[in-house]
Amino acid sequence: EDQVTQSPEALRLQEGESSSLNCSYTVSGLRGLFWYRQDPGKGPEFLFTLYSAGEEKEKERLKATLTKKESFLHITAPKPEDSATYLCAVQPMIKAAGNKLTFGGGTRVLVKP
Amino acid sequence: EAQVTQNPRYLITVTGKKLTVTCSQNMNHEYMSWYRQDPGLGLRQIYYSMNVEVTDKGDVPEGYKVSRKEKRNFPLILESPSPNQTSLYFCASSPTGRETQYFGPGTRLLVL
Repeated sequence: EDQVTQSPEALRLQEGESSSLNCSYTVSGLRGLFWYRQDPGKGPEFLFTLYSAGEEKEKERLKATLTKKESFLHITAPKPEDSATYLCAVQPMIKAAGNKLTFGGGTRVLVKP
Repeated sequence: EAQVTQNPRYLITVTGKKLTVTCSQNMNHEYMSWYRQDPGLGLRQIYYSMNVEVTDKGDVPEGYKVSRKEKRNFPLILESPSPNQTSLYFCASSPTGRETQYFGPGTRLLVL
C-alpha cells in the first residue's frame, strides 16, 4: 500500500527564515510526486510535479526536490503570504490504481512578520 | 477561466436525508475524482471516473454513489447520509488522470 509521511506537522518561521519540509514516501513504482498548497477552507492549489530522482522545480521562494525515497520543499526567505498547509501526494505507475493520489497529512506553515 | 466548481459550498443536513453535491469542470478533462478530507486522516479518494459512463471505487466508497453522464459533470450522491460522513469534500479533474489533478473549492458537509 502506498504511504506518504510529511514532517514536521507544523512549522513556525520568522519572515526571512528559510526552512525545508520533508515528504517521505513508499509507492509501488512512482508515476509522479505532487506538491500542493492549501489555504484554510480552500481546495489544494497545485505547485509542482516531480517525476524522477534528481529532479528539481522552482517557483518564486519555493523549490522542490526528489530522491528515490523522499521529497523536500525548500522555502527560501519566506513571507507571511507563504503561510499555508503544504501537501505532498504520490501517484503510482500502475494504472489499475485508478490514478489515485495518496496524500500525506500535510505541514502547516506559519510565517510571522 | 479554467476551473472546477462545486455546489453547494456549505451544507447542513440530517441523518437519512438524501443529498447531491455537484461538480463541474470546464477544461474538457476525461478524469474526475472525489476526495474527502478529515483531520488526522488527510485527503482520501472516494470515487473516480476515467471517462463518461466509467466510474470506479476509491479507498472510502461506502455510503456514496456517483454518476458520469456528461464529461463535464460528476455529482456525488449520499443516499442516506450519516454523521460519519461529516467532512470536507473536494472534486478534482485531470486531462486523463495521469497528470496533475486540479481541485475544486470544496464542500463542507455537516450531518446531524
